[in-house]
Amino acid sequence: DQQVKQNSPSLSVQEGRISILNCDYTNSMFDYFLWYKKYPAEGPTFLISISSIKDKNEDGRFTVFLNKSAKHLSLHIVPSQPGDSAVYFCAATFDQGAQKLVFGQGTRLTINP
Amino acid sequence: GAVVSQHPSRVICKSGTSVKIECRSLDFQATTMFWYRQFPKQSLMLMATSNEGSKATYEQGVEKDKFLINHASLTLSTLTVTSAHPEDSSFYICSARDWRRGDQPQHFGDGTRLSIL
Repeated sequence: DQQVKQNSPSLSVQEGRISILNCDYTNSMFDYFLWYKKYPAEGPTFLISISSIKDKNEDGRFTVFLNKSAKHLSLHIVPSQPGDSAVYFCAATFDQGAQKLVFGQGTRLTINP
Repeated sequence: GAVVSQHPSRVICKSGTSVKIECRSLDFQATTMFWYRQFPKQSLMLMATSNEGSKATYEQGVEKDKFLINHASLTLSTLTVTSAHPEDSSFYICSARDWRRGDQPQHFGDGTRLSIL
């Protein structure tokens, strides 16, 4: 049973536009969510996180939104840049301290010049 | 930023051999290390969590006798795939964090592609 789902395996966006990556989860006990970015042949790199007590967290071009009632989170990247082309994973955990992460399948983002 | 080094990046070996993968935190103390496995086009699946100096905690369905984890120091954890078989072929990736630093996220190594012939 996939508790964290990224239903779009790929997304293509024009440079300068907004990229929106989506993630759904099934377990309402998750209390901390993270986004990781992964380039080929490298490990995932932490991007941004959000606690379940918040509905938005912003860091530069990256904003994560959390809708607890819908069990949905999204990552907005604006403006999108060619270097943003990568696979993006969302992850969730029941315990921010322990951080045993449950990952989605990933979305491959391609930024077109 | 925090650096985690994983070695080797790729290994090919014969069925029945044991393979050791190392995960090192280079610039911070890793009180906790995690080992994940990823099958093609699937998500990263947590295999086990290890705290320095303690026995690893394995996720349901992961054979502890098949996947031996050692975390003897604050900078090194090893995963040994014992008597490896073709079905053990996969991408293995480690991560590390210092739980004493509150909300510090996990920092990942670059992974090991294991192929068993």
